[in-house]
Amino acid sequence: AQSVSQHNHHVILSEAASLELGCNYSYGGTVNLFWYVQYPGQHLQLLLKYFSGDPLVKGIKGFEAEFIKSKFSFNLRKPSVQWSDTAEYFCAVPRRGSQGNLIFGKGTKLSVKP
Amino acid sequence: NAGVTQTPKFQVLKTGQSMTLQCAQDMNHEYMSWYRQDPGMGLRLIHYSVGAGITDQGEVPNGYNVSRSTTEDFPLRLLSAAPSQTSVYFCASRADRGANNEQFFGPGTRLTVL
Repeated sequence: AQSVSQHNHHVILSEAASLELGCNYSYGGTVNLFWYVQYPGQHLQLLLKYFSGDPLVKGIKGFEAEFIKSKFSFNLRKPSVQWSDTAEYFCAVPRRGSQGNLIFGKGTKLSVKP
Repeated sequence: NAGVTQTPKFQVLKTGQSMTLQCAQDMNHEYMSWYRQDPGMGLRLIHYSVGAGITDQGEVPNGYNVSRSTTEDFPLRLLSAAPSQTSVYFCASRADRGANNEQFFGPGTRLTVL
């Protein structure tokens, strides 16, 4: 069965620290990968996506992610986090046979201390 | 554009009561979905629709009904609420079935069933 794994449940960082959130998927064939962010009290927003081409994808607010096919990974990175990056982050892949609906990981909560 | 809107924002029900969660989008998107979000579980797909008059089940459909009479609206009905349905419900829409298409999420409805 398809699955998406996010390794960290809760990450606590100080401002200016570097961030890397892990995401692994179990999925062969054509790969489309997404990172969504949910700020406190808000709805999910697309952070970045990969569907082909350069495996290093740049998103909004200085985030980037690298698709490594051999490792089935799509880790999210940011060189220097800010307090405003405090949010929950979800990795997702399209669900096969479901017209493009998504399977989400369980999420990683990021807390940035000022 | 208002994007995806959901009403109500909060709701408390007693076990056995019924209610309808409303979802509307003004982007002329064909595809709409309902997800529920539970702590530590990520988002799970309840039902989805690929166009007016066409719906299908997702990962956790039991206890929920949907219909799609117009492109704009996709209500979710709870026929007999149970405490296990306490959750945050998100409606989402996207333009078409392409797996790389961004899903746009509504602000959510926080439902508590006593």
